[in-house]
Amino acid sequence: NAGVTQTPKFQVLKTGQSMTLQCAQDMNHNSMYWYRQDPGMGLRLIYYSASEGTTDKGEVPNGYNVSRLNKREFSLRLESAAPSQTSVYFCASSFDRTSYEQYFGPGTRLTVT
Amino acid sequence: AQSVAQPEDQVNVAEGNPLTVKCTYSVSGNPYLFWYVQYPNRGLQFLLKYITGDNLVKGSYGFEAEFNKSQTSFHLKKPSALVSDSALYFCAVRDGLDRGSTLGRLYFGRGTQLTVWP
Repeated sequence: NAGVTQTPKFQVLKTGQSMTLQCAQDMNHNSMYWYRQDPGMGLRLIYYSASEGTTDKGEVPNGYNVSRLNKREFSLRLESAAPSQTSVYFCASSFDRTSYEQYFGPGTRLTVT
Repeated sequence: AQSVAQPEDQVNVAEGNPLTVKCTYSVSGNPYLFWYVQYPNRGLQFLLKYITGDNLVKGSYGFEAEFNKSQTSFHLKKPSALVSDSALYFCAVRDGLDRGSTLGRLYFGRGTQLTVWP
């Protein structure tokens, strides 16, 4: 039982490049989330998926898109990376959106130059 | 809007001494409050939660938190700190069950770096 896995662990992009961050969970959870963590700002929600087939914007969705590929996988895409998107990105999941506990992946550290 | 504040960026304490990490909240409706811990280069791990019931909530690794409705606080405590408790601690509040499509969203504080020295 791996929990929540994320790939890649590290990535460096040039401004304007695109990339997709992958997230998968093996806990049969219905809800999944993408957060970004910036120093002194805590975690901010980018997008979430309450259940398979649905996605909703969080606090900071601009510049990102998401795909809930199936129940296990929830990807985050940066179409045209900007230096302001330099951050650590965390994927999380919960059994459903009434669940109290979220389980987090190890994170992806992204640098945009 | 839901929000939490962690007034201290850093807390330093000697091993064996009690520790407190502070959190205050602002919510509409009943508060659903959480503490998460982040060790270096790791994702967040759930420590404990307050939903309803006793004001003193016990969680993992010997941590506990005290819910105080009149002071809108949810401080994290441990009677005797360990060096291995050194980590980044986040307080969070969640939307209540009456909040429609935003149900399940967590709002995090900025985090408090706890350092326990030997």
